[in-house]
Amino acid sequence: IAGITQAPTSQILAAGRRMTLRCTQDMRHNAMYWYRQDLGLGLRLIHYSNTAGTTGKGEVPDGYSVSRANTDDFPLTLASAVPSQTSVYFCASSDRGGGNPDTQYFGPGTRLTVL
Amino acid sequence: GQNIDQPTEMTATEGAIVQINCTYQTSGFNGLFWYQQHAGEAPTFLSYNVLDGLEEKGRFSSFLSRSKGYSYLLLKELQMKDSASYLCASMDSNYQLIWGAGTKLIIKP
Repeated sequence: IAGITQAPTSQILAAGRRMTLRCTQDMRHNAMYWYRQDLGLGLRLIHYSNTAGTTGKGEVPDGYSVSRANTDDFPLTLASAVPSQTSVYFCASSDRGGGNPDTQYFGPGTRLTVL
Repeated sequence: GQNIDQPTEMTATEGAIVQINCTYQTSGFNGLFWYQQHAGEAPTFLSYNVLDGLEEKGRFSSFLSRSKGYSYLLLKELQMKDSASYLCASMDSNYQLIWGAGTKLIIKP
């Protein structure tokens, strides 16, 4: 059972470049999420998707876009990376509506450095 | 606004008991979560409370008081492997998690 996988594990990126972080889950969860985690701050929600075909903006969506073409995949794209997007990015999923609690399960993370 | 407060860092001794407090203020409330995060790893689910009271799960227990906007995570018989950050998160009316910055727990032998 893989759970949630993310790729790449880490990446160094030049400012202005486009980058897609990949996230795949095999738990058939309907909801998926992208967070960034910065030192001294809590996890901050970037975008989410409650079900395939729908997406929503979280707390810090600017500079990021997502798509949810199917249940399993939820890629996050940085159209033109900036140094302030240097962070650790976590993808998560949950079985929303599957009964309490709506527990989120996390992928291993992608460490992104924008120079 | 929405806010989660928890101590930045705590130190405890192996074999002892430690209590990590969390206060929350969110738009609506659909439960309080605790996660454990070892350095360089992903957060992993520990506990969930939605009703007042204590939930016990092995060496870990979590308490909730909805009227006070307060929760704590209690860790007993501390082991070195419990050295990690502990994240408190409140689920708001939109079923989104609002996260605290985490409490780094250092266990000393």
